[in-house]
Amino acid sequence: DSGVTQTPKHLITATGQRVTLRCSPRSGDLSVYWYQQSLDQGLQFLIQYYNGEERAKGNILERFSAQQFPDLHSELNLSSLELGDSALYFCASSVAWAGVNEQFFGPGTRLTVL
Amino acid sequence: KNQVEQSPQSLIILEGKNCTLQCNYTVSPFSNLRWYKQDTGRGPVSLTIMTFSENTKSNGRYTATLDADTKQSSLHITASQLSDSASYICVVSGGRGSQGNLIFGKGTKLSVKP
Repeated sequence: DSGVTQTPKHLITATGQRVTLRCSPRSGDLSVYWYQQSLDQGLQFLIQYYNGEERAKGNILERFSAQQFPDLHSELNLSSLELGDSALYFCASSVAWAGVNEQFFGPGTRLTVL
Repeated sequence: KNQVEQSPQSLIILEGKNCTLQCNYTVSPFSNLRWYKQDTGRGPVSLTIMTFSENTKSNGRYTATLDADTKQSSLHITASQLSDSASYICVVSGGRGSQGNLIFGKGTKLSVKP
């Protein structure tokens, strides 16, 4: 158990809908990262927050957005969902925002868009 | 172009045997290199993190090596166990190690058979 929690575990929805994925980082970690992993694909970095502020952006679609709240939990919002958005979404956390800091991954949320 | 390539794509070995996974990268500048283990449908777990000055690091039966001159890394697994069946992901961090410069390999899928 990494100490990072994600909810829900599974999510099934329809095209065009909007969903919110939630992540609670490990106690003491200020940085939260979001990743997407499609079937048989590598991890794709989406976005990073550090202490409430956006720090880095990766291959995140405009239909996706995220935020980190004062209690440091983070939410990833996916809207106008398409079939291709079906994937595993992982959240990770670390103490710092850069450098040689270990990232701890949550168990993921499996999103299925029908 | 910053890239991380892993080989082989997949590997099947018998329980108790050793194996070596390869990672070649073209990321520049270089900050650190990480190896993760990812069980199917689960979040990645960090095995090792190596900086420029380190050329070997062990974590139990896992030993990672780094040759920063040739930009190659390997992960050696000794006396494999059935629980080693997983994907192994090589990740290279460029620049000052900021998240925006993390480049992920597609992983090597290892199957350990009895």
